[in-house]
Amino acid sequence: ETGVTQTPRHLVMGMTNKKSLKCEQHLGHNAMYWYKQSAKKPLELMFVYSLEERVENNSVPSRFSPECPNSSHLFLHLHTLQPEDSALYLCASSQGPGRQETQYFGPGTRLLVL
Amino acid sequence: RKEVEQDPGPFNVPEGATVAFNCTYSNSASQSFFWYRQDCRKEPKLLMSVYSSGNEDGRFTAQLNRASQYISLLIRDSKLSDSATYLCVVNPGRRALTFGSGTRLQVQP
Repeated sequence: ETGVTQTPRHLVMGMTNKKSLKCEQHLGHNAMYWYKQSAKKPLELMFVYSLEERVENNSVPSRFSPECPNSSHLFLHLHTLQPEDSALYLCASSQGPGRQETQYFGPGTRLLVL
Repeated sequence: RKEVEQDPGPFNVPEGATVAFNCTYSNSASQSFFWYRQDCRKEPKLLMSVYSSGNEDGRFTAQLNRASQYISLLIRDSKLSDSATYLCVVNPGRRALTFGSGTRLQVQP
């Protein structure tokens, strides 16, 4: 399935680096999301964009900076990360709002911060 | 209290067995409910939505009890390919989803 794609799939970065994660959805959806999945923890919502506007920021540190240039693309800019930021970062998209609005996930970027 | 609670398992069952997973949620205003499946090192994928009247999709049956704030998933005639982590997911009334930690199922030959 290629409905939601993410690049890169794996990323190793030092604490002083700056990198960006990219997500693209090919489903014609109007909302996009960033989630973080750490080992042994449930998925945690980071950001929600609806119609290219950020509608939710779930108390995420400023070292994570999202960008949504259009309804098909979502970026997560990373700078001065900490080792505890190592996790799987998942992008999702959905079409709504609707009662049973379903989110579709990309394959994720596995990030290791050294 | 966690917003969505699940038994982490693992549930180890033989092929052909019937297995049930339960989930409770804390927000009584929650509007929609889902079960997602996540294979090892892969992204979550929607298994099924959960409706108040209960719903079935092949070997999978989902039930919702709003009064008890309880959701269940029943898998009949388990297959080896059903081995995965099953995520109970709740929409608390905004566009984002709240995920449980997941229940791990291992179906053995």
